[in-house]
Amino acid sequence: AQKITQTQPGMFVQEKEAVTLDCTYDTSDPSYGLFWYKQPSSGEMIFLIYQGSYDQQNATEGRYSLNFQKARKSANLVISASQLGDSAMYFCAMRGDNTGRRALTFGSGTRLQVQP
Amino acid sequence: GAVVSQHPSWVICKSGTSVKIECRSLDFQATTMFWYRQFPKQSLMLMATSNEGSKATYEQGVEKDKFLINHASLTLSTLTVTSAHPEDSSFYICSARVVLAENNEQFFGPGTRLTVL
Repeated sequence: AQKITQTQPGMFVQEKEAVTLDCTYDTSDPSYGLFWYKQPSSGEMIFLIYQGSYDQQNATEGRYSLNFQKARKSANLVISASQLGDSAMYFCAMRGDNTGRRALTFGSGTRLQVQP
Repeated sequence: GAVVSQHPSWVICKSGTSVKIECRSLDFQATTMFWYRQFPKQSLMLMATSNEGSKATYEQGVEKDKFLINHASLTLSTLTVTSAHPEDSSFYICSARVVLAENNEQFFGPGTRLTVL
């Protein structure tokens, strides 16, 4: 079974500052993928970043980076230089590569509010 | 990235009626699509996996006779909520898996907000 845990229901950050959103996971799959999605109030799911379990380097996509610590089973999202438009719900998700289950398992989400 | 559309974007219906939601992959073929449900202020929960040309696989606790899924083509999957009740009111989101994408990424539709009166 797969489980994603996001322990921060809500986070505040000042505009232009960096913020880290926590995500820990549990899986029996030796190979897996970790994703972060942003969901604004409109409801659409916006893909942000992906980390494969065998990737040696932490993933980066523009202002987003993923702090992947495999031994700790954590995959925290770091947003640098926060912008007002970053205010949204953020979901960490996992996909197991060996179980045949291709759907994503989501965490409970973190609501980020960027303050001017 | 790949584009997935959903129709309608929102729907209001009376209790007891059926509602059909369409999920289309616009610029790619999707052998597998997923249907998720999201209640207010909660996370996305997988309802079922829709496979083209075969029966859908439902998650435990999801009534297959109530939530009918049809994946008739490589670009279209439909979810029909039969005899809808107020407790079915939710945000329904589909996603399609891009097999040849670098990370087998899933692309999500914009979602359908269902309100049952």
